[in-house]
Amino acid sequence: EAAVTQSPRNKVTVTGGNVTLSCRQTNSHNYMYWYRQDTGHGLRLIHYSYGAGNLQIGDVPDGYKATRTTQEDFFLLLELASPSQTSLYFCASSPGSSQNTLYFGAGTRLSVL
Amino acid sequence: GDSVTQTEGQVTVSESKSLIINCTYSATSIGYPNLFWYVRYPGEGLQLLLKVITAGQKGSSRGFEATYNKEATSFHLQKASVQESDSAVYYCALSDGSGNTGKLIFGLGTTLQVQP
Repeated sequence: EAAVTQSPRNKVTVTGGNVTLSCRQTNSHNYMYWYRQDTGHGLRLIHYSYGAGNLQIGDVPDGYKATRTTQEDFFLLLELASPSQTSLYFCASSPGSSQNTLYFGAGTRLSVL
Repeated sequence: GDSVTQTEGQVTVSESKSLIINCTYSATSIGYPNLFWYVRYPGEGLQLLLKVITAGQKGSSRGFEATYNKEATSFHLQKASVQESDSAVYYCALSDGSGNTGKLIFGLGTTLQVQP
């Protein structure tokens, strides 16, 4: 069974704070993704990666950095968090190609006060 | 641009009744759209419900069905008889079949509440 684990599950920070969201996959997948989900917007792609050391910009990258340290681990960094980044964040992995299924983590709910 | 539209934000259906959740898409820059339905149960991540990569074909899973209608640019999700356990959020999604990134474009999601 494919597994994607996100941590923490919930996080509260203040405006200007530094936050790191973690994602680990044990699927041996090449691709990993960070999405955010907001009411009225559905899921939007922030960043993605096709391997260790690689980073690709998604559709809503402003205010976010990401780093893929290994094939298993993909981190999302908010260095100066703002209230507009309050959201539900999902990590996913995929073998790659448009036909492949994405496997999602359970999500991290981030609140920026 | 490329987009997915789900017109219903929330749907309430009585148990054993039929369900349809509408999904239309626009694929102006995608030559070979692949279509997906994902479902998110409370407290869990999204999981694939069904996918169809060829126009005219039907996908099915767990009693749900969806047909890829290229002419109507639609991929509506249907079920003949819903159960309380089907209560969840359903997302229609689109990818580029000629690409290899696996990137998905999602609709806003439709929350299904099944009443006993």
